[in-house]
Amino acid sequence: SAVISQKPSRDICQRGTSLTIQCQVDSQVTMMFWYRQQPGQSLTLIATANQGSEATYESGFVIDKFPISRPNLTFSTLTVSNMSPEDSSIYLCSVAANREATQYFGPGTRLLVL
Amino acid sequence: GDSVTQMEGPVTLSEEAFLTINCTYTATGYPSLFWYVQYPGEGLQLLLKATKADDKGSNKGFEATYRKETTSFHLEKGSVQVSDSAVYFCALSKGSQGNLIFGKGTKLSVKP
Repeated sequence: SAVISQKPSRDICQRGTSLTIQCQVDSQVTMMFWYRQQPGQSLTLIATANQGSEATYESGFVIDKFPISRPNLTFSTLTVSNMSPEDSSIYLCSVAANREATQYFGPGTRLLVL
Repeated sequence: GDSVTQMEGPVTLSEEAFLTINCTYTATGYPSLFWYVQYPGEGLQLLLKATKADDKGSNKGFEATYRKETTSFHLEKGSVQVSDSAVYFCALSKGSQGNLIFGKGTKLSVKP
């Protein structure tokens, strides 16, 4: 399986600021996804990061709040904008070789907003 | 819509006890089914998967069988260890959409 890294691994931020999370994979993959895991909760898909085009967002998530970039087949970023304490979560990226393939997850970014 | 339901936790067992974590799903078509595990302070790791009815996924002593007639994918292990303490997530995926739909997770604590 692919080796996936995320930066930063954790951060503490002030409300009203923005944080950009990076996801890097060691091989080219077709699919990259961003998930949110709120404290003590399950994972919820934020969006599918599409290479060369705008991300596809799930219901309840909007581009202005969670802008996503995917400049190539090995890298993506998720920005959490204008943060509030409710944004405190673990943010995970996942990758898959294609739409039908198994997803593998990065180690996650633990975000605390004060 | 599609969904996954897992048994409520936390589950506390003694070392070498038998483990069952129930998982049922609701989905149209023929989803693939997964168990992921999240150890304390870490991301998700794929534990096992099954892609069609009657398939059995297995890994590290854990097993789960895809039962279409009961729409279930229960996780079992014959003898748990302290190192199995983690949160276990059942999930489904439909290839046409690509994304995973997760259950709420079941926290397992194994005492020596």
